[in-house]
Amino acid sequence: NAGVMQNPRHLVRRRGQEARLRCSPMKGHSHVYWYRQLPEEGLKFMVYLQKENIIDESGMPKERFSAEFPKEGPSILRIQQVVRGDSAAYFCASSPGTGVRYTGELFFGEGSRLTVL
Amino acid sequence: AQKVTQAQTEISVVEKEDVTLDCVYETRDTTYYLFWYKQPPSGELVFLIRRNSFDEQNEISGRYSWNFQKSTSSFNFTITASQVVDSAVYFCALSEAKAAGNKLTFGGGTRVLVKP
Repeated sequence: NAGVMQNPRHLVRRRGQEARLRCSPMKGHSHVYWYRQLPEEGLKFMVYLQKENIIDESGMPKERFSAEFPKEGPSILRIQQVVRGDSAAYFCASSPGTGVRYTGELFFGEGSRLTVL
Repeated sequence: AQKVTQAQTEISVVEKEDVTLDCVYETRDTTYYLFWYKQPPSGELVFLIRRNSFDEQNEISGRYSWNFQKSTSSFNFTITASQVVDSAVYFCALSEAKAAGNKLTFGGGTRVLVKP
């Protein structure tokens, strides 16, 4: 079974450009979570999505950040007009759908490292 | 709201010493899950253990052991006879059953440096 796949692994952008990070969950998983890890810090929850729905976006910055998980294709975390403070590792995780949701376990990808010049 | 605190930001030991990482959590939920993850220098997150709130039995896996005490809201992690390969950042995390999905709240992490 393929694990959670994130791409690109590394992304360099200049200030003001857009960054798009993609996440394909594990096969059979319909829940996706995005986390951000700033340098030398822990992981902070950003957003939780199910197919075509945002369930919890309490950790998303109010501006410039958006996320989607379409019916077909990967989940995408989009950062518009990037600034240096957006430089971080962005981790995606997935979990199975309802019925097993209370196992608590998340399966993490290897992360996408964004550097803003 | 849930919270996870890892008071130790960095621990340095010499190889073969034991090292214990502290984790204290806060939650109002009666059903929850606790986790430890390892993040080696390569950056990926490696799942180590999951415990549910109804199971207070301590667990040992090779050189790793975990001590879960609900009375003090702690879930401490001990590495016995540490090795250089144990050098990493270790994260404790909490998931509440009442929360939407399996949302994890992480502690700030403890960096472990094992010197040869």
